[in-house]
Amino acid sequence: GIQVEQSPPDLILQEGANSTLRCNFSDSVNNLQWFHQNPWGQLINLFYIPSGTKQNGRLSATTVATERYSLLYISSSQTTDSGVYFCAVSGYGSGNTGKLIFGQGTTLQVKP
Amino acid sequence: EAQVTQNPRYLITVTGKKLTVTCSQNMNHEYMSWYRQDPGLGLRQIYYSMNVEVTDKGDVPEGYKVSRKEKRNFPLILESPSPNQTSLYFCASSLNPRGTDTQYFGPGTRLTVL
Repeated sequence: GIQVEQSPPDLILQEGANSTLRCNFSDSVNNLQWFHQNPWGQLINLFYIPSGTKQNGRLSATTVATERYSLLYISSSQTTDSGVYFCAVSGYGSGNTGKLIFGQGTTLQVKP
Repeated sequence: EAQVTQNPRYLITVTGKKLTVTCSQNMNHEYMSWYRQDPGLGLRQIYYSMNVEVTDKGDVPEGYKVSRKEKRNFPLILESPSPNQTSLYFCASSLNPRGTDTQYFGPGTRLTVL
């Protein structure tokens, strides 16, 4: 099945700093999403981005499907950005069931 | 407001006592699924459904049942819960029946089985 690797595993930033999170995947995908899991455990959908570039406020994401990676940019980070960021993909194999394969996540801590 | 809801949000129970976690979406989505999240194992799919009356096993279906009698509801049933089912559970839905567009997740249910 598809393998998903995220880097870095942990990131500590000062408030106001910028960061880039990376997601590598091992096969073609028909779905790629970025999520933020907040300290209460909720999974917040950030982007649906199997290809191309999107922006939403201080966050933006780019997926280069031909090279099998996606990047999540966080600019001017705030303490409320803290939590775990997951990349999740689904592929064309295994009967195309829509199952999302999650990476192990990047744990972000933003210090005031 | 478009959303996926789960109930209960927190539950502590004992081994063997049947329980149901409800999941409902108000977006007329075709696809629904259940995941569990465990430390060190990440999120894993339990069951999914592409349409009413159509359900199938995910990666970790043992000990769980589901039903999809109506489009909006997809309950997760634990007929005889065991401590290894202690986990954080998420329900998800998407418009496309194969889940190939945005999947929206519910707020999660923290289950502890003693």
